[in-house]
Amino acid sequence: ETGVTQTPRHLVMGMTNKKSLKCEQHLGHNAMYWYKQSAKKPLELMFVYNFKEQTENNSVPSRFSPECPNSSHLFLHLHTLQPEDSALYLCASSQTRTGDGTGELFFGEGSRLTVL
Amino acid sequence: AQSVTQPDIHITVSEGASLELRCNYSYGATPYLFWYVQSPGQGLQLLLKYFSGDTLVQGIKGFEAEFKRSQSSFNLRKPSVHWSDAAEYFCAVGKNSGYALNFGKGTSLLVTP
Repeated sequence: ETGVTQTPRHLVMGMTNKKSLKCEQHLGHNAMYWYKQSAKKPLELMFVYNFKEQTENNSVPSRFSPECPNSSHLFLHLHTLQPEDSALYLCASSQTRTGDGTGELFFGEGSRLTVL
Repeated sequence: AQSVTQPDIHITVSEGASLELRCNYSYGATPYLFWYVQSPGQGLQLLLKYFSGDTLVQGIKGFEAEFKRSQSSFNLRKPSVHWSDAAEYFCAVGKNSGYALNFGKGTSLLVTP
């Protein structure tokens, strides 16, 4: 496989469920990201990991819990979500400028989450 | 802080007509600028990028963009639009940290026959 792969592509969950989104990159990049894309809103950066270390958390509610076990894998654990959390969750990776890269992001196709 | 403004929320063009999508940025130093395209239900695909050098950059699918420092702009152009170009277009600027990108709100392009 190549690029950035996200699973599942679609997820429907109740507010009391616990689920996880998975992202895997096959590009050898050092940084990985979670973005949230809601209708009629700009892309919202949620979390950034660089060499497995979290470098940014943009005031994301604790019901979203990221995990980055290595530079190739990124998870977003979901629990007790609200209907307003329904959105497209996009994972991306990059070779950052400080890692001798140009910083462009490579995106997965996203996980469409619906919270009932 | 870096920011990006895309003034046009929706644009409609006829197939075969030329296209220009506007992007203005706010950044204190030389920015890293990007244009991405997103088809419905898909992730974002990079069209082109600018870091330095020639201010006119060529991208995929026949797109180009011109960096104008004096106007803080990085507008995307295409001489002749195809129906398959209908999509959402996002301009983005690289942050100081060199990590995440800041995105504009996007411009939705509709192509009519």
